[in-house]
Amino acid sequence: QKEVEQNSGPLSVPEGAIASLNCTYSDRGSQSFFWYRQYSGKSPELIMSIYSNGDKEDGRFTAQLNKASQYVSLLIRDSQPSDSATYLCAVNMLITGNQFYFGTGTSLTVIP
Amino acid sequence: AAGVIQSPRHLIKEKRETATLKCYPIPRHDTVYWYQQGPGQDPQFLISFYEKMQSDKGSIPDRFSAQQFSDYHSELNMSSLELGDSALYFCASSFQDEKLFFGSGTQLSVL
Repeated sequence: QKEVEQNSGPLSVPEGAIASLNCTYSDRGSQSFFWYRQYSGKSPELIMSIYSNGDKEDGRFTAQLNKASQYVSLLIRDSQPSDSATYLCAVNMLITGNQFYFGTGTSLTVIP
Repeated sequence: AAGVIQSPRHLIKEKRETATLKCYPIPRHDTVYWYQQGPGQDPQFLISFYEKMQSDKGSIPDRFSAQQFSDYHSELNMSSLELGDSALYFCASSFQDEKLFFGSGTQLSVL
């Protein structure tokens, strides 16, 4: 079992819809969770970080964290074609000495 | 704002050659990470340095080595290159194990 798991997709949503991306992690003691967006051939770009249970909103993005279920999600409202990218979930796992583990990423396509 | 700077952007080598990748972290960031990303794969952690000392080691082959210098820049040295080493190599930096900020990466092609 990978330390961080994501549905690889691809996920396709129409423009203007809500895209929902999900991630689970194995280390119950993890404290820091991140969502990165990566365009093909480019570096991962940090879009959201979340540290406590509940929702965190930033513009069209909402991160949700449930530590009891070891689950973190990203919602993208009013999806735009420019949101088409691979979204990587990353977890800073204390059990391994502060290593950041990445999921395999979910490929999102927003259809105009 | 200053970002993580990597060089070169592209590198072409032949099998059994040596390559050196450079990384300049964001000023005042205390930790540098190296990641390898193959096509369609997630970034794989190779090695990290905290305040110029190696702090964690991931799936880094013995043929690879890295160090962080007094000016905080880091170099990843790769010897006896194999075809399977072809990948995007990212450097990232953080302050107190907080958010990772990535450089633009070095695309290494081994022919």
